[in-house]
Amino acid sequence: GEDVEQSLFLSVREGDSSVINCTYTDSSSTYLYWYKQEPGAGLQLLTYIFSNMDMKQDQRLTVLLNKKDKHLSLRIADTQTGDSAIYFCAERNNNDMRFGAGTRLTVKP
Amino acid sequence: DADVTQTPRNRITKTGKRIMLECSQTKGHDRMYWYRQDPGLGLRLIYYSFDVKDINKGEISDGYSVSRQAQAKFSLSLESAIPNQTALYFCATSDFQDYGYTFGSGTRLTVV
Repeated sequence: GEDVEQSLFLSVREGDSSVINCTYTDSSSTYLYWYKQEPGAGLQLLTYIFSNMDMKQDQRLTVLLNKKDKHLSLRIADTQTGDSAIYFCAERNNNDMRFGAGTRLTVKP
Repeated sequence: DADVTQTPRNRITKTGKRIMLECSQTKGHDRMYWYRQDPGLGLRLIYYSFDVKDINKGEISDGYSVSRQAQAKFSLSLESAIPNQTALYFCATSDFQDYGYTFGSGTRLTVV
């Protein structure tokens, strides 16, 4: 079956922008989400975007949605060491939330 | 107190033992979920419940059972644990509007 796909690792320098990419599976998904998981913790909802939107900005976070290509991205501006975590993309599909495998973001000082 | 509390945080158990993982929430949400996380595989849905009388199988329900004791409580049982059930287990809640899930901190289960 198709999966929500993300690259597994991303490394950036402190102060740079990070861009985490995701390809989702279902063009009829109504909501798409980004979650953050810090070590030893559960997933924390960062932001979500409704499928009729192309972009959503929330402080340092920018979400871009390309429905034609089923591509979702999360940009973190001015990345800080506290942003080091695993980031999960997810799509809402009927009664299920389908998750990617997560991208581990490492921020180097 | 956390919005979603899972107990225990860590558990080591032997093959063949029965084990229960518990979840309680203070969000007042009707919808509750159990997920399993394995490295490189993301989260996979085990069971979900939309209200006290509703139980539904997820993608990987074999070997697991659940009980929704109250709106706030949703427990996951492994009737006879096996080593490939070693994983991180998460409980989550949501309301009907689907503005994302609230997750617990997880239970790390090791079956030896």
